[in-house]
Amino acid sequence: QKEVEQNSGPLSVPEGAIASLNCTYSDRGSQSFFWYRQYSGKSPELIMSIYSNGDKEDGRFTAQLNKASQYVSLLIRDSQPSDSATYLCAPRRAGSYQLTFGKGTKLSVIP
Amino acid sequence: DGGITQSPKYLFRKEGQNVTLSCEQNLNHDAMYWYRQDPGQGLRLIYYSQIVNDFQKGDIAEGYSVSREKKESFPLTVTSAQKNPTAFYLCASTSGAGGRSGANVLTFGAGSRLTVL
Repeated sequence: QKEVEQNSGPLSVPEGAIASLNCTYSDRGSQSFFWYRQYSGKSPELIMSIYSNGDKEDGRFTAQLNKASQYVSLLIRDSQPSDSATYLCAPRRAGSYQLTFGKGTKLSVIP
Repeated sequence: DGGITQSPKYLFRKEGQNVTLSCEQNLNHDAMYWYRQDPGQGLRLIYYSQIVNDFQKGDIAEGYSVSREKKESFPLTVTSAQKNPTAFYLCASTSGAGGRSGANVLTFGAGSRLTVL
């Protein structure tokens, strides 16, 4: 059974702070990892993807991957109220059509 | 603009009725998916299709049916056999299977919210 674990939150951070979102996964065959942001009542939108161990930065977002520990995280620097949303972690096996989604972490950025 | 169109956005169903949710994409993607989301829950895969006239069951296919007669279209029917159909339904597509580079990112439509009265 493939499992993806995320803290459900809510995670509250003050505006301008760093938000740290964590995800662990059970399937060692996972090779691609995706972070989606979902606003209430809306569909998910891709924020970051990462495939190799280490860090990947894109603007205020940094994804971190440690395959040995089966751990992937998303850091949001200089958090803004517009970042308030649920963040979904989704690993995928190479060559697979399927993503397995975690239940998501709800982030609240306080002005 | 390329994208995925889902309709209707909101749908109400009486118990015992079948309903069909539409999903159309103009991204020229080969693979299409249906996910279900319940409040406070992640996305669960219902069905997916890699090519026309072929589809596979996901984790929660019972009570649902799909067809893939055209590359652009992947409608989902929620049958009366689905015991708890009230949920947010999301259609998605990719151009193919995930490669090591992470190509073929999943793109979602806006979703359809089904409520059983």
